[in-house]
Amino acid sequence: DAKTTQPPSMDCAEGRAANLPCNHSTISGNEYVYWYRQIHSQGPQYIIHGLKNNETNEMASLIITEDRKSSTLILPHATLRDTAVYYCIVLKGTGKLIFGQGTTLQVKP
Amino acid sequence: ETGVTQTPRHLVMGMTNKKSLKCEQHLGHNAMYWYKQSAKKPLELMFVYNFKEQTENNSVPSRFSPECPNSSHLFLHLHTLQPEDSALYLCASSGTSGSADTQYFGPGTRLTVL
Repeated sequence: DAKTTQPPSMDCAEGRAANLPCNHSTISGNEYVYWYRQIHSQGPQYIIHGLKNNETNEMASLIITEDRKSSTLILPHATLRDTAVYYCIVLKGTGKLIFGQGTTLQVKP
Repeated sequence: ETGVTQTPRHLVMGMTNKKSLKCEQHLGHNAMYWYKQSAKKPLELMFVYNFKEQTENNSVPSRFSPECPNSSHLFLHLHTLQPEDSALYLCASSGTSGSADTQYFGPGTRLTVL
């Protein structure tokens, strides 16, 4: 499975957009990019996923570069409740989610 | 109840005790998973079940014994645990395993072994 690289931490002001980057330069053509988040001591929450095209849902937008080697998760209007660890995971058909250390996003008032 | 539920949410046990963790999914999925998250560490996959059959055991010690009686229920039986087994145990489900189906997680059971 392809490895991902994320910054260990980021800050964002409340009400502003939070843009969380992820590098996955070894991604294969059939591997999806998944994003989860984990609020302290809770189960990971699914956010969004994509293969090639940009995706948007009620929680976030996912922008995948044309070469698929990187992506950005966008939380359009961050709130204090969005403070969490965000995981970018590349998933292939084996279905194995391999979690890294993720990015700790701190939303500040 | 909706989604994936886990009971108990917190458990304290001695090293000689036997206890069980329960997971139930209300999503109509056929695959269920156990993960372990130790302090300051990423989630680690422990077991995978697909249509009640175990398809993966990620070199988990035998003091952890999973059971999947049907596609909606998953148990993790614990016996003779060690203090280093203290962790957050998470259950997840997906449509099927061995695919890119989205996994949905339960809230977890916080286990403390004394």
